[in-house]
Amino acid sequence: SQQGEEDPQALSIQEGENATMNCSYKTSINNLQWYRQNSGRGLVHLILIRSNEREKHSGRLRVTLDTSKKSSSLLITASRAADTASYFCATDSGGYQKVTFGTGTKLQVIP
Amino acid sequence: NAGVTQTPKFQVLKTGQSMTLQCAQDMNHEYMSWYRQDPGMGLRLIHYSVGAGITDQGEVPNGYNVSRSTTEDFPLRLLSAAPSQTSVYFCASSLTGGGDTEAFFGQGTRLTVV
Repeated sequence: SQQGEEDPQALSIQEGENATMNCSYKTSINNLQWYRQNSGRGLVHLILIRSNEREKHSGRLRVTLDTSKKSSSLLITASRAADTASYFCATDSGGYQKVTFGTGTKLQVIP
Repeated sequence: NAGVTQTPKFQVLKTGQSMTLQCAQDMNHEYMSWYRQDPGMGLRLIHYSVGAGITDQGEVPNGYNVSRSTTEDFPLRLLSAAPSQTSVYFCASSLTGGGDTEAFFGQGTRLTVV
């Protein structure tokens, strides 16, 4: 069963614009991670945010976490064509079976 | 440093055939797992292992077997392939399995069962 649900399902922007995608989840979490998947490739870890953190930055990535709303957002600033990929959130509710992935946001950055 | 290596990358099976998807990691991670990825479904956990000799079922284990004889290798066996097993399969490893450390994924195996 899906814990995290990304929104929107697909997003198309021009190069240089910012891209924002959201993840909502149903039950309390310990951690939340964002991954990127290029077409035909495996997932690559982007960033991890813990439940006691509200915001985290990594290069052009900014992740926020609102545990009261059970949601997280991933912002990619000054997007590049190379950012074209699918982005997944993975929520950790504790235990080995409790890391679940959402269905992803497909981002297209048009040069 | 190769990370997580999966073989083969592509495979076509006939219904009823069996095969083994190979997965190896060179990071000395205790935790390894297998996922399948289907359109609109995200990744679903098939089986996982918390160390050599220890395996357990995930969300969708039916039709699959695993074993973990070494820290490095975690093969996934399809016992009698069915069209419903057509999917992309990913192996992953991490230092811990609880989602508090990043997972490293292989490149995937695209399996078609006809």
